[in-house]
Parts: sequence; structure tokens; C-alpha cells
Amino acid sequence: EPEVTQTPSHQVTQMGQEVILRCVPISNHLYFYWYRQILGQKVEFLVSFYNNEISEKSEIFDDQFSVERPDGSNFTLKIRSTKLEDSAMYFCASSESQEETQYFGPGTRLLVL
Amino acid sequence: RKEVEQDPGPFNVPEGATVAFNCTYSNSASQSFFWYRQDCRKEPKLLMSVYSSGNEDGRFTAQLNRASQYISLLIRDSKLSDSATYLCVVNSWAAGNKLTFGGGTRVLVKP
Repeated sequence: EPEVTQTPSHQVTQMGQEVILRCVPISNHLYFYWYRQILGQKVEFLVSFYNNEISEKSEIFDDQFSVERPDGSNFTLKIRSTKLEDSAMYFCASSESQEETQYFGPGTRLLVL
Repeated sequence: RKEVEQDPGPFNVPEGATVAFNCTYSNSASQSFFWYRQDCRKEPKLLMSVYSSGNEDGRFTAQLNRASQYISLLIRDSKLSDSATYLCVVNSWAAGNKLTFGGGTRVLVKP
């Protein structure tokens, strides 16, 4: 069964450093998403991406965040200058169409020290 | 008011028993509805979509009441493996197809 994959599974970084989280969505999917979940809290939407541009972004997704689809398979989330409060699990998801189910990757656990 | 509200639980359920819980959502423009399951420190996994007519998938039954903006999930004949956090999720296609999650209802099935 096809699945969304994410790398790395864990990332530890110093405050102020840049991190890039990588995702490989399911191959025939056209819609891509990033969500995050701070420990003990609910899953929160960050951004949706379709046709090489952002469709929607949340208030969390400020200028420190960016997304990119650098090639035909990868979808990345970059945090330019990490803050302590960026520590969370980051989930990538993809869907075939707008109405179809979103499938989640296993997540990257980011710890900012 | 929270966009999607759930009783956090935990619901302690004897193995073989039935458990039901629900959630409410505030955005009347929400277009699709789901129950996802999340195990500790893992990704959300789709359990089932929820339709207005109600739908069943094995031991799981979901109901949607659009008028009351209320979604329910019932689990029959609970198994130990049903222990998880159940996330109520709504989708608004007009808002970039973003999923809005509830905080989850924790279910613990005990022998």
C-alpha cells in the first residue's frame, strides 16, 4: 500500500538554526499539506499546497516558514530560524484531490534547544 | 468556542463492551467529516469518513447531524487494540482543504 514518508524521524537543533523537513507524498497525489502537533496538544494545520503554490496557510505559518516542491517527488518544510516553541511533531499529508482523504506520514519530531 | 470540541476522556471500557462518544463543530460550512485514530506518538490514521446517512465499518458506526453540528462514533465489542485517541476531524474545501482537528477522545479498553 502506498504511503507518505518523512525524513528525518527525529531532528534536534539549536534555537536560531534553519531546519528542513522532508516528505515524499503518495505518488499520484496532487495536494500536499503540513500539520504540526505540540506534545499534548491537538493537531494543527500549517499549510496546503497545490499546483506549485500555497493554497492556504494558518496564522502559525509566518515568514519563518516556507514550503517547496523542489522536484517531482519531494515536498519540504523549511523553518528559517527556529524558536523553542517550534518544538513539535510535524506531519506531512497528501491527498489525490480536494475531496479525497488526506493520508499522513509518520512525522518528524523536532526538538529546538 | 473551539472549532471542533471533544470530551478528552479517558473512557475506560471493559473488553467486549460498547463505547460511544461525540464531537461538535462550529463551522457550519464544513463539508466533510472524519474520525481518525492516533496511537501514542504516531501519525493520525483514517478510521472512517462520516456521512449524513450514517455509516458502519465493522464494529464502528459513525453518525453526522448537520443541523446540530454533531458527529458521533460508536465502537461495539471493544478490543484491547481499540485503545487509542480518536480524533474528530472536519474539512473545509473552501479553506484550502485544511483539516481541523479536535483535541481527541482517549479510549482505554481493559481486559
